[in-house]
Amino acid sequence: EVQLVESGGGLVQPGGSLRLSCAASGFTFSNYAMTWVRQAPGKGLEWVSAISGSSGTTYYADSVKGRFTISRDNSENTLYLQMNSLRAEDTAIYYCAKMDCSGTNCKSPGKNWLDPWGQGTLVTVSS
Amino acid sequence: EIVLTQSPGTLSLSPGERATLSCRASQTASSSYLAWYQQKPGQAPRLLIYGASSRATGIPDRFSGSGSGTDFTLTISRLEPEDFAVYYCQQYGSSPWTFGQGTKVEIK
Repeated sequence: EVQLVESGGGLVQPGGSLRLSCAASGFTFSNYAMTWVRQAPGKGLEWVSAISGSSGTTYYADSVKGRFTISRDNSENTLYLQMNSLRAEDTAIYYCAKMDCSGTNCKSPGKNWLDPWGQGTLVTVSS
Repeated sequence: EIVLTQSPGTLSLSPGERATLSCRASQTASSSYLAWYQQKPGQAPRLLIYGASSRATGIPDRFSGSGSGTDFTLTISRLEPEDFAVYYCQQYGSSPWTFGQGTKVEIK
């Protein structure tokens, strides 16, 4: 069974940093691109960042570019999101998701739907 | 960036009724790279439909997706009590991957 478990969320002051982790199991982690999606309280879903299976390619939403860094450790089956210069508007539940596709090569983030999602970790940016 | 607009914002229906949700893209979504997700309160989103019309594993056949180009539809043929939730469409054909704002299906 595919499982994704996020951790690392919490309360941080504006301008602070936080690193989120997503532990993956039940599939060959390096064969799949991965992504982060966030949801502000009572709001909709916002895509944040994605990374290819080999870590060679990364993508960011304009709202986090230059402040967030996505990475992965394929030997530890773990996805990360380093968040710096945090702002109040970054307050949200952060979900990691596996980027799936029809073929056998899902390493590139392009043309991939999100399945499954982790349970999420809450990040609160407040003084 | 492809902007997705979902309508209506809220759909008030009774169990057993048919639900029709719309998702319109601001530009053509490449090769129907369009997915639908269901989210219940306090839970993570769950994939329902990918490729505009393919049901994900384990999804009941009362859920169906259709459409192409810029207009897509999610249909729930007969609403079950567990189907009352928020539904999001998402395009994954080009970065940035974008979501619609969601349609809430509530009990009338």
